[in-house]
Formats: sequence, C-alpha cells, structure tokens
Amino acid sequence: EDQVTQSPEALRLQEGESSSLNCSYTVSGLRGLFWYRQDPGKGPEFLFTLYSAGEEKEKERLKATLTKKESFLHITAPKPEDSATYLCAVQTGGYNKLIFGAGTRLAVHP
Amino acid sequence: DSGVTQTPKHLITATGQRVTLRCSPRSGDLSVYWYQQSLDQGLQFLIQYYNGEERAKGNILERFSAQQFPDLHSELNLSSLELGDSALYFCASSVDGGREYFGPGTRLTVT
Repeated sequence: EDQVTQSPEALRLQEGESSSLNCSYTVSGLRGLFWYRQDPGKGPEFLFTLYSAGEEKEKERLKATLTKKESFLHITAPKPEDSATYLCAVQTGGYNKLIFGAGTRLAVHP
Repeated sequence: DSGVTQTPKHLITATGQRVTLRCSPRSGDLSVYWYQQSLDQGLQFLIQYYNGEERAKGNILERFSAQQFPDLHSELNLSSLELGDSALYFCASSVDGGREYFGPGTRLTVT
C-alpha cells in the first residue's frame, strides 16, 4: 500500500536556526513528489514539485531535495513568518491523485 | 489566490441536519477533490471526480455524497450530521492529477 510518512510531527526553531523536514515514501511508481505549506485555517499552498531522484528546487529560504526513498525540505535561516504546517504528497500511477503525509508543524520563534 | 472558490466560508448547523458545500474549480481543471481536515489532523481524502465521473474514493462516510456537474462545479453533501463532522472541508482541482490547487475551505461547525 502506498504510504507517506513525515517527520518530525512538530519542530520548534529559533529564528536563524536552519533545519530539515523529512518525507519518506513507499509507493509503487512515483510520478511526482509535492511540497505544500498550510497556514492555520487556510488551504494548502503549493511550494515545489520534484520528479526524479537527485532533483532539487529552491525558493527563498526553502530547498527541496529528492532521493529514491525520501525527500527533504531544508529551511535556511528561518524567520517567524515561515511558521506553518508543511505537507508532503506523492503522485503515483493510476488516477494520479495525491497521497498526503500528516505534515510537520513548524514554529519559528524570534 | 488559487482560482478555486468554495462557498460558504463558514457553516453552523445542528446535529442531524444536512448541508451542501459548493466548489468551483480553476478554469480548465477537470478534476475535483474533496478533503476533510479535523482539528490538528491531516488532510483526509474523501473523493475525486473527473469530468463529471467519480474516479477515486477515500474514507468517505456513507452519510456523505458528492457530485460534479456539467459545468464542472462540485457539491459535497453531508447528511445526518454528527458533532464529529465538525471540520474544515477543502476542495482542490487539477487538470488531470498532479499538482492540486486548493480552495480556501469551508469551516463546518455542528452543534
């Protein structure tokens, strides 16, 4: 069965303290891996799509990487406004719908 | 703004009642997805429609049903509501799988 696991469940950082979020997956035929950001009470907002092992994408303080079994979302010198829940999702074969992980709740304190 | 609209934004109703949530996908998107997110819970996939046809089902209760109309908007019907149905309900759309664009959600409170 296709599965997506995110760790840690929650992460507290001081402003400027870099860290990484993990998304490990077990799927039959990965077609794409997606990262979303979700603020409380809001809909998830798209960040990145990765398609093949070794691929990297960057946006401001965020960088996403992909291996054959997991993806990392690296946050460099985070700011309080980076506080949110970060969701990872995988797209497999079949009807192409996304399978979401439970998310990592990130809190960045000044 | 994702281009996906959902109405209403908030809904307060009593147990046992029935409600309808509405979603308009982005222009050109044929797939619509419904998700439920309870307090401090992850996104739970409910159901997917593609161009009017049901395509995939998740953990959707029998009391819940959905449909997608010829103009591609979708409605999620929740009946015999229970306190535990209180949650945020999100609609998302995509061209045909892959990146999903999420709406702002409908917050349902069952009292």
